[in-house]
Amino acid sequence: DTAVSQTPKYLVTQMGNDKSIKCEQNLGHDTMYWYKQDSKKFLKIMFSYNNKELIINETVPNRFSPKSPDKAHLNLHINSLELGDSAVYFCASSPFGQGVYGYTFGSGTRLTVV
Amino acid sequence: GENVEQHPSTLSVQEGDSAVIKCTYSDSASNYFPWYKQELGKGPQLIIDIRSNVGEKKDQRIAVTLNKTAKHFSLHITETQPEDSAVYFCAVSTNQFYFGTGTSLTVIP
Repeated sequence: DTAVSQTPKYLVTQMGNDKSIKCEQNLGHDTMYWYKQDSKKFLKIMFSYNNKELIINETVPNRFSPKSPDKAHLNLHINSLELGDSAVYFCASSPFGQGVYGYTFGSGTRLTVV
Repeated sequence: GENVEQHPSTLSVQEGDSAVIKCTYSDSASNYFPWYKQELGKGPQLIIDIRSNVGEKKDQRIAVTLNKTAKHFSLHITETQPEDSAVYFCAVSTNQFYFGTGTSLTVIP
């Protein structure tokens, strides 16, 4: 069983569209994250969420919004997609919150905006 | 916030040789230092980690060393194999994670 699963793996869409990426973890972890990886492979945190607290990286445009229906899921919704949103998006999870244990990452969603 | 620098950005070694990747950090309160391996088309995977009360940790061909005084830690891969080719990321943690900029390692058969 995949520990952190993301869908879809590939997403191609036109500018201006709204799209969602889904993430589920079956590890029983308390905290989930979304990361953006650009073409230079830099990993940039977007959100962390532990069903009590949402921490938003202040550089993330408000077109991006995380949605968590329950502890095991953290979906990423993106409004009005722009060319610069093209990247690989990774979901991750960890027990007890950041800074305590390592993350488990999903396999990524490659978003291409045309 | 924390400033994590990772070097080199690219590294090519002959199969069987050793590879060393180094990271430096700025916050002396940092207490957890994991390393991740990202293969093509996959997410980063934790391969080894070390905590601030330990100077060295080894797992088969992989080792990590930590120098808290100098605020740097290194990943050592011995007897490299083609399957070690990947992008490697260090990370530093206080109450949140800070990732290094990545090292693309190529092992030449």
